[in-house]
Amino acid sequence: AQSVTQPDARVTVSEGASLQLRCKYSYFGTPYLFWYVQYPRQGLQLLLKYYPGDPVVQGVNGFEAEFSKSNSSFHLRKASVHWSDWAVYFCAVSMWGSAGNKLTFGIGTRVLVRP
Amino acid sequence: EAAVTQSPRNKVAVTGGKVTLSCNQTNNHNNMYWYRQDTGHGLRLIHYSYGAGSTEKGDIPDGYKASRPSQENFSLILELATPSQTSVYFCASGERWGSSYEQYFGPGTRLTVL
Repeated sequence: AQSVTQPDARVTVSEGASLQLRCKYSYFGTPYLFWYVQYPRQGLQLLLKYYPGDPVVQGVNGFEAEFSKSNSSFHLRKASVHWSDWAVYFCAVSMWGSAGNKLTFGIGTRVLVRP
Repeated sequence: EAAVTQSPRNKVAVTGGKVTLSCNQTNNHNNMYWYRQDTGHGLRLIHYSYGAGSTEKGDIPDGYKASRPSQENFSLILELATPSQTSVYFCASGERWGSSYEQYFGPGTRLTVL
């Protein structure tokens, strides 16, 4: 069965510093990968998505992620964090063509931004 | 702009009572989903639907029923609510066009069962 591991429950970063959030997936076949962000008291919004192709994908608000098949990873990066990036970030995987195109989520990483 | 709305946004229920959470989407998507979000678990899929009249069990369906009376509406029903069902519930809709796919989420319903 597919699964997603986000090893860091919480990350604290200073405003203007770089950010990397880790995501490891377990999947048999070709994965389709997503990063979602949840701002306080809101639903989830899509940051970026990966379909087979270029391993580096660009998302909104300066986020990018890199897919690595050899490491089974899909890490999220941002070069310079803004206070508005304070949120919870979820990595998710889908099996293309699966019944209902279901997503399996990691537990999320909470990002706290220091002024 | 994709739009998924949920009602109510907050709900307090008593143990053993019936609770219905409603979801409406204006995206004309065939697929709809119900998740619950709990600390330490992320989002877990409860039920989903391929279209009007269909419901399918997700990963944690026990204690929940679902209803999809129309393309736009998808309800989650707790016939006998228990305190363990206290959680935040999210509805989502999604569709695949060619190689592109994503799910659009509603704002969530915070349910407390006393």
